[in-house]
Amino acid sequence: DAGITQSPRHKVTETGTPVTLRCHQTENHRYMYWYRQDPGHGLRLIHYSYGVKDTDKGEVSDGYSVSRSKTEDFLLTLESATSSQTSVYFCAISVGANYGYTFGSGTRLTVV
Amino acid sequence: GIQVEQSPPDLILQEGANSTLRCNFSDSVNNLQWFHQNPWGQLINLFYIPSGTKQNGRLSATTVATERYSLLYISSSQTTDSGVYFCAVDPKTSYDKVIFGPGTSLSVIP
Repeated sequence: DAGITQSPRHKVTETGTPVTLRCHQTENHRYMYWYRQDPGHGLRLIHYSYGVKDTDKGEVSDGYSVSRSKTEDFLLTLESATSSQTSVYFCAISVGANYGYTFGSGTRLTVV
Repeated sequence: GIQVEQSPPDLILQEGANSTLRCNFSDSVNNLQWFHQNPWGQLINLFYIPSGTKQNGRLSATTVATERYSLLYISSSQTTDSGVYFCAVDPKTSYDKVIFGPGTSLSVIP
């Protein structure tokens, strides 16, 4: 997977609980992204990072927070999971803003 | 915001046939990418192509940025080409926030 791993691969959690998804890269790429994929909506950007401690919101950031304390790790946190956050979450990395993306294998999250 | 459209939405091909997938976008972009999502969900980057033409084996892509479209050509299709093809654009007006199109679902039958 070109040095990008997501964990966990699958998770079932209850409504109202906090959840953290992890994206880890070994490529030393500057840019990291979190997307969610839902039927009928395609892939939508949640948050992205352009460096350690540098993050910005995407188009569907409500209910999500992120942190990047090290180049290699980008964490996505659902502070209080809701059923509408049931989705497949993909992390992507890029050398820079004008370079192609490499995606991780995804995390399937179910909120019950 | 920018609108990204892909056509056709669905396509069924006989193995060995050729096809052209289209991506239209409503505003100027910094770059454009094509991805293939296989039936197991893995997203593979096919091309990074802000303009011009690129080829990789049986696949090639052309982007005409001034006319706001890109084409993905698949020649001599194989069953392993099945899946969903997405184009993704980075709008000039919202730098770094790549927007994905809705995808073209391709099924290649033996």
